[in-house]
Amino acid sequence: RKEVEQDPGPFNVPEGATVAFNCTYSNSASQSFFWYRQDCRKEPKLLMSVYSSGNEDGRFTAQLNRASQYISLLIRDSKLSDSATYLCVILGGSGNTPLVFGKGTRLSVIA
Amino acid sequence: SAVISQKPSRDICQRGTSLTIQCQVDSQVTMMFWYRQQPGQSLTLIATANQGSEATYESGFVIDKFPISRPNLTFSTLTVSNMSPEDSSIYLCSAPTETGIQYFGAGTRLSVL
Repeated sequence: RKEVEQDPGPFNVPEGATVAFNCTYSNSASQSFFWYRQDCRKEPKLLMSVYSSGNEDGRFTAQLNRASQYISLLIRDSKLSDSATYLCVILGGSGNTPLVFGKGTRLSVIA
Repeated sequence: SAVISQKPSRDICQRGTSLTIQCQVDSQVTMMFWYRQQPGQSLTLIATANQGSEATYESGFVIDKFPISRPNLTFSTLTVSNMSPEDSSIYLCSAPTETGIQYFGAGTRLSVL
């Protein structure tokens, strides 16, 4: 089983739609969880951290279910500028350990 | 946040040559990481660069092919040695902040002919 699994998509949605991405991870000892965004030909950039209590940042909501080893990202009112690849990312240990990346989910928001 | 300057941003190289990629962080960090991202794929960790000791390599990556230097707490280099077309990829460095969030350099797009 891969360490981090994501549906690669692509997800093609109209502007204004709500879209949800899911991610599962295999290492139950994982300590921190993130969603990164990667635009075409650019480096990954942190979108948001994911907490057990769930967290929201504007149109973006992330949730973590440790029991099911499952992470989600919800994007409401999609914008054209949301088109990117969204990477589910796990930190297995302390901050000085490398990140483990999912293969990413490609989102295209269409006018 | 951390600002990481990576260069070169891109290069086209001949088979058999070597390329050294540099990453400079605007603050002192204990660890730096080097990743490879092949076309259409996610990031794969090459090695962890430790200051004052040899880098720690992941399975499938060896020091002779990817020598790494870490002379101080703000700088690291990765060399891609004896390149072949299979080495064509994006190479990224990253460094964690005290909060555990990792920031990336802009990447080096390498094409080997």
